Amino acid sequence: EDQVTQSPEALRLQEGESSSLNCSYTVSGLRGLFWYRQDPGKGPEFLFTLYSAGEEKEKERLKATLTKKESFLHITAPKPEDSATYLCAPLSSNTGKLIFGQGTTLQVKP
Amino acid sequence: GAVVSQHPSRVICKSGTSVKIECRSLDFQATTMFWYRQFPKKSLMLMATSNEGSKATYEQGVEKDKFLINHASLTLSTLTVTSAHPEDSSFYICSARDPDRYTFGSGTRLTVV
Repeated sequence: EDQVTQSPEALRLQEGESSSLNCSYTVSGLRGLFWYRQDPGKGPEFLFTLYSAGEEKEKERLKATLTKKESFLHITAPKPEDSATYLCAPLSSNTGKLIFGQGTTLQVKP
Repeated sequence: GAVVSQHPSRVICKSGTSVKIECRSLDFQATTMFWYRQFPKKSLMLMATSNEGSKATYEQGVEKDKFLINHASLTLSTLTVTSAHPEDSSFYICSARDPDRYTFGSGTRLTVV
């Protein structure tokens, strides 16, 4: 059965304090892994797609990496505006559907 | 970049009435769109997959007669919540595939009173 687990559920950081969010997955036929940011009351906003183990992508203070079983979202020197819920979603080639994790809610305090 | 527009952003309706939510792909054609439901502090739950010109495929446990989905064109999918009840109150989000990026609308907060 396809499964996604994100940890931690919640993370509080001081501004400038770097950290990583984890996404562990078991998916038959991984076609890609997506990271999204979701602000309260809004739809998910696309951040990255990773397609193969070893791949890395960066955008401003965020860097996403992928292994065969996990993906990490590294946040370097975060700012308060990085506060949001971060969702990872592997895409199953078998079903063509995104499988969403529960998300990590990040709060960055000034 | 791909943009998906979803309307309305908020709607309040009386119990027993129907509500229609629209999802439009603005700058691309989407043969496949997805409808999700999200409960407070929970992740997205896929309700159904709609393919242009054909019947939607519903996930297990989702009532087809309550949540009517129409995907009549390559840029528009609609979700109609029929005979709404307070338990249908939720945040509904659509997504469109373009072709390997899944872009989401801004969501619709439905409150049934």
